[in-house]
Amino acid sequence: DADVTQTPRNRITKTGKRIMLECSQTKGHDRMYWYRQDPGLGLRLIYYSFDVKDINKGEISDGYSVSRQAQAKFSLSLESAIPNQTALYFCATSDPGQGSETQYFGPGTRLLVL
Amino acid sequence: GQQVMQIPQYQHVQEGEDFTTYCNSSTTLSNIQWYKQRPGGHPVFLIQLVKSGEVKKQKRLTFQFGEAKKNSSLHITATQTTDVGTYFCGSLSLDAGGTSYGKLTFGQGTILTVHP
Repeated sequence: DADVTQTPRNRITKTGKRIMLECSQTKGHDRMYWYRQDPGLGLRLIYYSFDVKDINKGEISDGYSVSRQAQAKFSLSLESAIPNQTALYFCATSDPGQGSETQYFGPGTRLLVL
Repeated sequence: GQQVMQIPQYQHVQEGEDFTTYCNSSTTLSNIQWYKQRPGGHPVFLIQLVKSGEVKKQKRLTFQFGEAKKNSSLHITATQTTDVGTYFCGSLSLDAGGTSYGKLTFGQGTILTVHP
């Protein structure tokens, strides 16, 4: 959705470099997520945040960190990039409800670590 | 936590043929969501099923949730080239009161290609 934006859309970096991927949303949702997508592995959750003061690790958080600067902004950092972090990264948002919580994905950031 | 296995990983069909992808879990799922990701695009929500045995339809797409709430399927009748993409199922974690944790556990996805 255009309501969820990610920058940059493509990034090439070298092993050992620190990089940041940014996500912004205008949907007014409190909940935000970072996923990575690898062929054959689907979408795996890296970190999620239910509000500015609430950040939680997902299933594959090692090597990543996040920052929730505001309700609308959630950044993902790779402190020291390595080649196996080459992947497609998606940010998503959602609005909690009684068992109904659609996730809205950004356009994705394609990251290549050399 | 909930784990969801999705099969097949790939499916290639001729235009007009039917297509089905399946999601299975060893544990009872609170719900199942389906998403579609077009080539080069991002996942987009299609539907959510929450009741045992539930069946929902969207035009040529039929979604089912198993009686035991351990499996689900997405069936496309008479595929078209516009159906090309990756289809994901996912299950949302809920607390005892039915409020979602927001954590969506996805299956591996099924990549559908359609030959015209």
